[in-house]
Amino acid sequence: DQQVKQNSPSLSVQEGRISILNCDYTNSMFDYFLWYKKYPAEGPTFLISISSIKDKNEDGRFTVFLNKSAKHLSLHIVPSQPGDSAVYFCAAKDFSGNTPLVFGKGTRLSVIA
Amino acid sequence: DSGVTQTPKHLITATGQRVTLRCSPRSGDLSVYWYQQSLDQGLQFLIQYYNGEERAKGNILERFSAQQFPDLHSELNLSSLELGDSALYFCASSVALQETQYFGPGTRLLVL
Repeated sequence: DQQVKQNSPSLSVQEGRISILNCDYTNSMFDYFLWYKKYPAEGPTFLISISSIKDKNEDGRFTVFLNKSAKHLSLHIVPSQPGDSAVYFCAAKDFSGNTPLVFGKGTRLSVIA
Repeated sequence: DSGVTQTPKHLITATGQRVTLRCSPRSGDLSVYWYQQSLDQGLQFLIQYYNGEERAKGNILERFSAQQFPDLHSELNLSSLELGDSALYFCASSVALQETQYFGPGTRLLVL
C-alpha cells in the first residue's frame, strides 16, 4: 500500500517556465512533508519542507503548497532552469509520532533549454 | 557534498554471499538511517539508529542487520544475498531524531 504517491513518473518543461510536481498521500497522520532532489550517481538532497500548520512555504524559486483536505502537495519551481533536471522525491512523516520518512517513487523532471 | 560518506560506491557479488556497507554520518549527527532503492521504486526505509541504539525498523529482511558504533559510524550487513537484493543502498544522517536527513551518495549493489 503506497502511502505517498507521485503519479507522474516524468515531466518535461521549457526553460523559464513553471514546473509543477505533484504528490498525494493517504495517511492522515502525516503532518510533515519534504521534497528531495536527486541527480544521477548522487544521494537525494533536501530541497524544502512544510509542516501541516502551514499551507505554503517558499524558498527562492521553490514553493511547496499543501492542501490537507485533499491530502495533496505540490512543488512549484519558477523559473525552471536546466540545472533543475533531476528526480524529485516527495516524502512524508508523522512528526509527533517519530515515524520514519515515507517516500514516493519520484518524478523525473527534464528542463529543456 | 552532504558530508555523509558511504563505502564502497559499487559492489558486485554472487548469490549466497555476505557484504557489509559502511556509512559515516555528518560531523555532529547522532542519527543514522538506511534506505534501499530498487529499480523504479522509491526509497524504502530499512532501519534507524540514534546514538548507538536502534530506534525504528522498516521492512528490513531478517537476512539484513545493522549497527551503529560508538564513533557513530554505521554498518549494514546483508547476508545470503539474492538477485532481488540488487539495489542502491543509501545512508542518511540527522542531528537528532526529527531533524532533516542528509543523504550519502549511496552504494550500488549488484548480485549476480
